[in-house]
Amino acid sequence: GENVEQHPSTLSVQEGDSAVIKCTYSDSASNYFPWYKQELGKRPQLIIDIRSNVGEKKDQRIAVTLNKTAKHFSLHITETQPEDSAVYFCAARGASGTYKYIFGTGTRLKVLA
Amino acid sequence: GAGVSQSPSNKVTEKGKDVELRCDPISGHTALYWYRQSLGQGLEFLIYFQGNSAPDKSGLPSDRFSAERTGGSVSTLTIQRTQQEDSAVYLCASSLAGQGLEAFFGQGTRLTVV
Repeated sequence: GENVEQHPSTLSVQEGDSAVIKCTYSDSASNYFPWYKQELGKRPQLIIDIRSNVGEKKDQRIAVTLNKTAKHFSLHITETQPEDSAVYFCAARGASGTYKYIFGTGTRLKVLA
Repeated sequence: GAGVSQSPSNKVTEKGKDVELRCDPISGHTALYWYRQSLGQGLEFLIYFQGNSAPDKSGLPSDRFSAERTGGSVSTLTIQRTQQEDSAVYLCASSLAGQGLEAFFGQGTRLTVV
């Protein structure tokens, strides 16, 4: 079945440094890749997404890149701040004809002040 | 409503009892998803409803789990004969149909089986 792998599981960076989280997906028909941020005790919320016809997308300090050939996509956070500390989930939307989202296992990001 | 609403927010039940968890999606959203999040873990897919199509139940962990969606709106996730390993946060999400559309999550139901 569909699978999304996410690395690393935990990541600690100094405030101001960059953070990179990587995901790979198994279903080559996947065409939409959102990233969610979940703060402690709260619901996951979308922070950025990318579609399969685009290689890169940027929104202020956050960017996502997609390599369809390799079935890889990555989240890049620059100039990290303490409020970026959270769990980040990548997801891939399932095979053509269904809009099921398969999530990665999450990355716990800690930004050290 | 303004967002996805789930009830109850917390549920403590005795092992062996049945529980029902409710999800009220955003009005007009035809896609509805249930996920399970165990403590400190990821989002485990359970079931997906899309319009009037047969639901994708491929993530349900056992036949003790079932879900229905009435009238294309409210959904109920039922767990029969609860076990301690069922303890988790159950998250519901909804989205419009179509490509590249955001799934919005509810606040979740924290289920504790004692």
